[in-house]
Amino acid sequence: TQLLEQSPQFLSIQEGENLTVYCNSSSVFSSLQWYRQEPGEGPVLLVTVVTGGEVKKLKRLTFQFGDARKDSSLHITAAQPGDTGLYLCAGVKNQGGKLIFGQGTELSVKP
Amino acid sequence: EAGVTQSPTHLIKTRGQQVTLRCSPISGHTSVYWYQQALGLGLQFLLWYDEGEERNRGNFPPRFSGRQFPNYSSELNVNALELEDSALYLCASRVRGNSPLHFGNGTRLTVT
Repeated sequence: TQLLEQSPQFLSIQEGENLTVYCNSSSVFSSLQWYRQEPGEGPVLLVTVVTGGEVKKLKRLTFQFGDARKDSSLHITAAQPGDTGLYLCAGVKNQGGKLIFGQGTELSVKP
Repeated sequence: EAGVTQSPTHLIKTRGQQVTLRCSPISGHTSVYWYQQALGLGLQFLLWYDEGEERNRGNFPPRFSGRQFPNYSSELNVNALELEDSALYLCASRVRGNSPLHFGNGTRLTVT
């Protein structure tokens, strides 16, 4: 059973389009992180959201943490081929210190 | 600042063999995490070490084990390899608390 469900699992769009990736759970997390992973490399942290309802922007990327801290979304505006990669959400629970990852969203942006 | 380094980068083993993967964390990082990334399954938590001790363990059989050395580097050992152990094994480190994880580029293990 996946504690964090990401959707969609695969997304193929044209350059310039907008997209949203969702990360949902029935559990409450103390914080949630988004990572991006390119082939042959480890995941790289994009952002951490901590407060329910928090919105963070990173250039064309907008991250939101749900009010109840159970879900999050990543919105990309005017996607570019350089945005191509695997996007992973990861939740932090108070105990154990471990990050629980979603299964990832494979994004392909075609020129 | 050097990042998290893992060795080897690629490894091919046959079923039943044993393997040891190595990880050097970023200087100053005391916590090391191991994750398994199999195709289509995302990152599955394996082990967490801090200050030389195992702090938490994921839902993996006992043939997955590891340790952390006094210099905070870590090893992941997998005994009696099975075909489904084929995956990318990622190591990550961080300072204590909920600071961000920094990942290495992983070891690609193929079991034939």
